[in-house]
Amino acid sequence: DIQMTQSPSTLSASVGDRVVISCRASQNIDKWLDWYQQKPGKAPNLLIYMASTLESGVPSRFSGSGSETDFTLTISSLQPDDFATYYCQQHKSYPLTFGGGTKVEIK
Amino acid sequence: QITLKESGPMLVKPTQTLTLTCTFSGFSLSAGPLGVGWIRQTPGKALQWLSLVYSNGDKEYNPSLKSRVTITKDTSKNQVVLTMTNMDPVDTATYYCARRQGAPHYGFDYWGHGILVTVSS
Repeated sequence: DIQMTQSPSTLSASVGDRVVISCRASQNIDKWLDWYQQKPGKAPNLLIYMASTLESGVPSRFSGSGSETDFTLTISSLQPDDFATYYCQQHKSYPLTFGGGTKVEIK
Repeated sequence: QITLKESGPMLVKPTQTLTLTCTFSGFSLSAGPLGVGWIRQTPGKALQWLSLVYSNGDKEYNPSLKSRVTITKDTSKNQVVLTMTNMDPVDTATYYCARRQGAPHYGFDYWGHGILVTVSS
């Protein structure tokens, strides 16, 4: 199985901050990576697919980059609605696997 | 409008078989590159992919669940059914169904609200 490791596990930030979340794959997954946002009591919501393509309707302050084993999700200016948990997920090969999540908290 | 909704028992006893149904609308699983999958989330918040079925009938399973899981689709009813045998308290989780896009997207773009299944005697 491909292991996905996110860092940090928790991040404290203020509104307006630039936030960067990392995701590392245990082997080369090219660009087969998605990012999801999850708020308490809700299902995950797709933000970015294929490492860097913004899903329709997602604000442009979200961006993704990376390839092979190292990926980042960047929020350019954190908004109150962005306090949530973020997950990466690879779909290079089965079984599909998720990272452990990064919780973005209010500083 | 695309929606998915999970249904099934919220409480099962150890060793019992869990059957969950995903009823969807706004798309068809009879043609095209789409799939519907099941993902669960433990109380500790870890996400685990369980299974996928595609419109062409192909199925994929997480090997960690060995032979416990079966997925089927009923295109006439717009439903996907997940069966998991020999349930254990560690299987307590929120179970989600989600639509998976085809190329070049591949993401899970629509999700149900989830159903919390507790395994306890």
